[in-house]
Parts: sequence; C-alpha cells; structure tokens
Amino acid sequence: AQSVTQLGSHVSVSEGALVLLRCNYSSSVPPYLFWYVQYPNQGLQLLLKYTSAATLVKGINGFEAEFKKSETSFHLTKPSAHMSDAAEYFCAVSAGNTDKLIFGTGTRLQVFP
Amino acid sequence: GAVVSQHPSWVICKSGTSVKIECRSLDFQATTMFWYRQFPKQSLMLMATSNEGSKATYEQGVEKDKFLINHASLTLSTLTVTSAHPEDSSFYICSARGLAAYNEQFFGPGTRLTVL
Repeated sequence: AQSVTQLGSHVSVSEGALVLLRCNYSSSVPPYLFWYVQYPNQGLQLLLKYTSAATLVKGINGFEAEFKKSETSFHLTKPSAHMSDAAEYFCAVSAGNTDKLIFGTGTRLQVFP
Repeated sequence: GAVVSQHPSWVICKSGTSVKIECRSLDFQATTMFWYRQFPKQSLMLMATSNEGSKATYEQGVEKDKFLINHASLTLSTLTVTSAHPEDSSFYICSARGLAAYNEQFFGPGTRLTVL
C-alpha cells in the first residue's frame, strides 16, 4: 500500500524567499512520486514527477524536488518565491503496477510581498 | 500538451434530481479515466477508475448505484450523480491517462456541484 504525508497544511513565505514544502511517502514497491499545484476552483497541474530516473527532478516554474530513499522523502523547493506561486500544492504517490494516485492532504502556500 | 476538459464547470440542481458531468480528453486517447471528489480545503479522494469499454472500478465506500460512470469511448467518460442530495455537493475532478509511461494523469478543470 502507498501513502503520502505532507507536513504543514499552511506555509507562508515572503516574496523572494526559499520555498520548502515537505512530503514523505510510504510504499511497498518502488514509488512514482508527483507534485501538483491547484489554483482556486481549478483542476491540478503537474509540477514535476519522479519515475526512478534522476533523483533530483526539475519541474516547471522553477520548482524542483529531490527523491531521498533513505528518508522516504520528496520535498518540493523553489529558491525564490513569487506572488504567483500562492496556491495549494499536493504530493502524490503511485505504485509501479497500478494507475492510482494517492494524494497527500495538501499544503497551502501563501506568499507575502 | 495533453488537455482534458470537463462540462459543465459548475452546476446547481435541486435535491432528488440527477446530474451528468462529462470528461473529455481533447488531444489524446484516454484508455483510463479517473473520477475524484474534493471537499473544500481537502485533498482529492479517488472515487472510481474506468477503462474504456468496461465497467468502472469503485473505491471502497463509494456507492456505484449513486455515482454512475460510463466510459463509452477513448475520449469521453461521464459521471452521473443520481438522486442528488445536499451532501453530494462537492468539487468533482476527472483525470485521463493515455498510453504514456509513468502513470501520468492529466486533470480536468473540475466541476462544482451544488445541490439545493
């Protein structure tokens, strides 16, 4: 079985500051890991994904995440926050042999000027 | 990139009526489509998985007779909420997966259902 834990339901940063959103996973098989962003009243947009290739994954909008097997983590980072980054972020895990995405509870990112 | 649309984007209906939501993959063939439900400020909960031409697989606790899913073609899946009640009010999101690798799903923009 797979599960995802997102630490911190809310994260607030100043514009230009580092963004760090935490995600830990549990999986009985090698996981596929994803980060999605959701703006109000919209669907989900894929930021980046880990699929057993390079452990440091670069995504869109300057985001990146590092897969750390020893820590069962897949934290999302961005060196410098922008006001437009304010949104809800979801980490998700999928097993290699199924199509289901298991989502975390989400982290709301606020960016202050 | 792959685009998934949903129609309608929002709908208000009276209690006891049925509502149909469409999910379309616009530029790729979706062998599998997923339906999620999202309550305010909560995560997405998978309701069911549908493969083209076969019956949907429902997650535990989801009433298949209440949430009817049809995946009649490789570009269209529908979710019908039958005899809707106020507790069915939610944000419904579909996603579609084609033949691409790595389990990637492309999400629709969602449908806001309000049952009065």
